[in-house]
Amino acid sequence: DSGVTQTPKHLITATGQRVTLRCSPRSGDLSVYWYQQSLDQGLQFLIQYYNGEERAKGNILERFSAQQFPDLHSELNLSSLELGDSALYFCASRERGSDTQYFGPGTRLTVL
Amino acid sequence: DQQVKQNSPSLSVQEGRISILNCDYTNSMFDYFLWYKKYPAEGPTFLISISSIKDKNEDGRFTVFLNKSAKHLSLHIVPSQPGDSAVYFCAANTNAGGTSYGKLTFGQGTILTVHP
Repeated sequence: DSGVTQTPKHLITATGQRVTLRCSPRSGDLSVYWYQQSLDQGLQFLIQYYNGEERAKGNILERFSAQQFPDLHSELNLSSLELGDSALYFCASRERGSDTQYFGPGTRLTVL
Repeated sequence: DQQVKQNSPSLSVQEGRISILNCDYTNSMFDYFLWYKKYPAEGPTFLISISSIKDKNEDGRFTVFLNKSAKHLSLHIVPSQPGDSAVYFCAANTNAGGTSYGKLTFGQGTILTVHP
C-alpha cells in the first residue's frame, strides 16, 4: 500500500459524458501528479499540482482539467468523453525532500 | 520522440538466476532515475532509484547501475523469484532549473517472467 488513494476504482460511462476522478496523496506530501496509461501509449504525464497550485502540464487535452484542494486531495475532470479516453488514470504523490513518486491503485475508465 | 526506451518488451528467466532489465535515455538533462514494478490493474510500485551523481545503488536483491556517458541504466535482480514476474518500467526525471517540477518520463516497460 503506497498510501495514495484513488476513487473510484472502475468507471464506465458513455461518450459525451463528464466524470471526476479523485486522489488523496500520502500524508505529508504536497505534490500530486496525474498520469494516463492507455494500451498503445504507456504511462503519460498529464498534470502536476503543488500545494494547490498547478505547476506543470504534459499532454493533457483541453477537455481535461484538474485541481488540488486545500486539504491537498486532487480531482481530475474529464469532459466530452470519447472512446479513446478509455484508459487507466493514475495519481502519484511526491515524497517531500525527494524525487520519488508513489502511485495510487488507479482508476480504470471505460467509455462506451 | 521517446526519450526513455526499454527495447526489450519481454524477458524470461529461471528462478534463482539473475534478471537484467535495460533502459536507455536520450535527454541529457535527466538527473534522477527510478524503476517501478507493475502488476495488471494495479498502480506502479516503486522499487529503487538512482541519482545521476552515482553509478550504482543497491537495495536487497535489486541493484541499479547508471552509465551516464552511454545514457544507459539497468536493473539487476538477484536471485530472481517467481513473485518478481511483472512489468518493469524505468522512469526519468529532471529538476534542472526547476522547470519540470519532477514529472516522470516512462519507458514502455519490460514484461519479466520468472519460471520456477
